[in-house]
Amino acid sequence: NAGVTQTPKFRVLKTGQSMTLLCAQDMNHEYMYWYRQDPGMGLRLIHYSVGEGTTAKGEVPDGYNVSRLKKQNFLLGLESAAPSQTSVYFCASSWTALYGYTFGSGTRLTVV
Amino acid sequence: SQQGEEDPQALSIQEGENATMNCSYKTSINNLQWYRQNSGRGLVHLILIRSNEREKHSGRLRVTLDTSKKSSSLLITASRAADTASYFCATDAWAGGFKTIFGAGTRLFVKA
Repeated sequence: NAGVTQTPKFRVLKTGQSMTLLCAQDMNHEYMYWYRQDPGMGLRLIHYSVGEGTTAKGEVPDGYNVSRLKKQNFLLGLESAAPSQTSVYFCASSWTALYGYTFGSGTRLTVV
Repeated sequence: SQQGEEDPQALSIQEGENATMNCSYKTSINNLQWYRQNSGRGLVHLILIRSNEREKHSGRLRVTLDTSKKSSSLLITASRAADTASYFCATDAWAGGFKTIFGAGTRLFVKA
């Protein structure tokens, strides 16, 4: 089925460990986004990309890095995980900033 | 502070009743979107209304937009237990490029 696929779905990290979250979309969308969702906070934009090879900072970029080497993939990296990064991470993609987003099913990350 | 804020935070109704959720925002927008999120899943796009539109329908959903009051409402008619979910409004904000900003959501519980 067409859509946005996130891997892994669950992960537990120790403080200071690193990891990469993978997002893949097969809709040929130009725009891709990484959000985090915390209780009572809604979704907050971490980083986004407007096309292959481009990335930009969102509302809460500190502690994260991203790469968009291929149009269909958008990677989110945590170099040194902290407990404050415990959250549910969602990837999304869209044709443009003005069209409805397609979301992945999320990655639940716990940092202990 | 959030660009879009939903009201109420939580809503509990009986099956068959109508559910109304409101969204207020602070700055001028290009469009406003509503999304649904079932527990443990990603967000699903429901409807987009442009700033020059006042009302839009999609099945049992009715969205209104009042740009003079900077507010929108989502009405779900003849609610069903399957409508139980969180509902988010999302507005575009210009911050070095259009970005979609999500509110904290309204949790709707429809009792069978």
